[in-house]
Amino acid sequence: DVKVTQSSRYLVKRTGEKVFLECVQDMDHENMFWYRQDPGLGLRLIYFSYDVKMKEKGDIPEGYSVSREKKERFSLILESASTNQTSMYLCASSNEFLGRGTQYFGPGTRLTVL
Amino acid sequence: GESVGLHLPTLSVQEGDNSIINCAYSNSASDYFIWYKQESGKGPQFIIDIRSNMDKRQGQRVTVLLNKTVKHLSLQIAATQPGDSAVYFCAETTGNQFYFGTGTSLTVIP
Repeated sequence: DVKVTQSSRYLVKRTGEKVFLECVQDMDHENMFWYRQDPGLGLRLIYFSYDVKMKEKGDIPEGYSVSREKKERFSLILESASTNQTSMYLCASSNEFLGRGTQYFGPGTRLTVL
Repeated sequence: GESVGLHLPTLSVQEGDNSIINCAYSNSASDYFIWYKQESGKGPQFIIDIRSNMDKRQGQRVTVLLNKTVKHLSLQIAATQPGDSAVYFCAETTGNQFYFGTGTSLTVIP
């Protein structure tokens, strides 16, 4: 089975802190994605990557950056966390580009910024 | 702009009944659709997909219907079970853009 793991299930950070969310997939997928999920807004794409060291902005990239140094790992970085970044963060991987096939999701990280 | 919406945010059904979850989309150029299921505390999980050149696709206990005329997508779950309780999302793809709906929460009453 495809497995996508995220480094933390729950995180509590303070405003202004730098936050790293890690995601690892074990299926050698080319494409990886970071979403945030908020009630009433569904899943919104923050960034995606279609290859090592490649990244593309999604719909809501402001306040976030990403890193993909290895194929299996995709990191989301909040340079200076703010309270409006309190959310559930979901990582996904796929062997298809941009929603054209199944995305396999991790369990999510619930981030609270105080 | 794009919108992928669901007719009802919540749905309750009796165990053993059939469930129908609906989704409306706005872009007639959308050519690929997926339904995902998200159980509490877990990430979304693929259920079934359908391409725009099809009207219907069946899986195990699930059927997806696509009506391109009215830009409507539905997910039918046969003989709904307690394990089907979850939030269901539709997602649409148009070219290099894809969007998720906000989800319908399905509760199965024993």
